[in-house]
Amino acid sequence: AQSVTQLDSQVPVFEEAPVELRCNYSSSVSVYLFWYVQYPNQGLQLLLKYLSGSTLVESINGFEAEFNKSQTSFHLRKPSVHISDTAEYFCAVSENNAGNMLTFGGGTRLMVKP
Amino acid sequence: GAVVSQHPSRVICKSGTSVKIECRSLDFQATTMFWYRQFPKQSLMLMATSNEGSKATYEQGVEKDKFLINHASLTLSTLTVTSAHPEDSSFYICSAVQGYEQYFGPGTRLTVT
Repeated sequence: AQSVTQLDSQVPVFEEAPVELRCNYSSSVSVYLFWYVQYPNQGLQLLLKYLSGSTLVESINGFEAEFNKSQTSFHLRKPSVHISDTAEYFCAVSENNAGNMLTFGGGTRLMVKP
Repeated sequence: GAVVSQHPSRVICKSGTSVKIECRSLDFQATTMFWYRQFPKQSLMLMATSNEGSKATYEQGVEKDKFLINHASLTLSTLTVTSAHPEDSSFYICSAVQGYEQYFGPGTRLTVT
């Protein structure tokens, strides 16, 4: 069975500083990896995904994540955060043979301070 | 593309009544939809997998007679919370599958008084 661990439940950071949100997973088969963002009282929005190919994936708003198979990690990074990035971020894993079922990490609350 | 809607966005009901939540894929067909529950400051908990034309598959610990799921068409799944109680108050989120991805609805905040 797969599992996802987000090591930090909260990450406070000042505006324009870099940030890394950590995600590790365990699985016995190959996986697809996702990062979602959730703003208060809203559903989840896909931020970026790794399905295959290049291990470095990027989003349109400056976030990037790198799939590291040997370390079973998919950490999310942004070189310079904005106040508007304040939200809950969820890492999720889908095993390739699991019918699109997602296993979510516990979430990391990113709090950007002015 | 790939937009999922939920209705209602918020609902308040009295204890003992039933509430129906709709999940629609607006611009694509979805054979599979998922229903999740989210408590404050927690992650999403998968409740059930909804498959068009067949019975839903419930996760362990989720009462199928309390949380009725119907997936009558390729664009609509409904979740009915029967005989709701205050402990059923939560944020319910659905998703619809297209390809390798799940697309999430905006969620429904249920408050049972």
